[in-house]
Amino acid sequence: DAKTTQPNSMESNEEEPVHLPCNHSTISGTDYIHWYRQLPSQGPEYVIHGLTSNVNNRMASLAIAEDRKSSTLILHRATLRDAAVYYCILRPHGGSQGNLIFGKGTKLSVKP
Amino acid sequence: NAGVTQTPKFQVLKTGQSMTLQCAQDMNHEYMSWYRQDPGMGLRLIHYSVGAGITDQGEVPNGYNVSRSTTEDFPLRLLSAAPSQTSVYFCASSYASGVWGGTYEQYFGPGTRLTVT
Repeated sequence: DAKTTQPNSMESNEEEPVHLPCNHSTISGTDYIHWYRQLPSQGPEYVIHGLTSNVNNRMASLAIAEDRKSSTLILHRATLRDAAVYYCILRPHGGSQGNLIFGKGTKLSVKP
Repeated sequence: NAGVTQTPKFQVLKTGQSMTLQCAQDMNHEYMSWYRQDPGMGLRLIHYSVGAGITDQGEVPNGYNVSRSTTEDFPLRLLSAAPSQTSVYFCASSYASGVWGGTYEQYFGPGTRLTVT
């Protein structure tokens, strides 16, 4: 399975944008890039995913490098509720299982 | 929709006891899976299922059994609990696996906190 590399932790101020990086240099052409986050004492929740083009939804934006070896999750205005562990995961498109392989993620702290 | 539900929320077992963690989803999802999360760690896949009657092992399957007799339910059985199985257990489901699996997000339940003494 292709692996991802994320910083262990990041800090942000409330109402400022946050850019969470992820490296995935061994990504294959059929891997989707998924982002999940886990709030304290809760199960992970889906944030966004993409294949090649940048993606936007109500929660965040996903910027994917042209060579697909890295991506960045963008929270446009961080709130205290965005403090969580963010996981960048590669999910096969053509695989028989589509399992999510979690790393340790990036712990985001948001300061008031 | 209730989404993914898990019961119980908390459980304390003695070493050697057995129990079943329940997981149900009402979204007609084909794919279901079980993860465990130890303190300060990411989630690790225990078992998964790509449809009723089909299950397979994940990264850490030892000491656990699963079955999938219906689309909705995917119970996880601990055969003989050990302290090393103290963890938080999450169940997840997804609309599809296979060829289109990468395009769909997974939905997670709230978790079961298990302590084995």
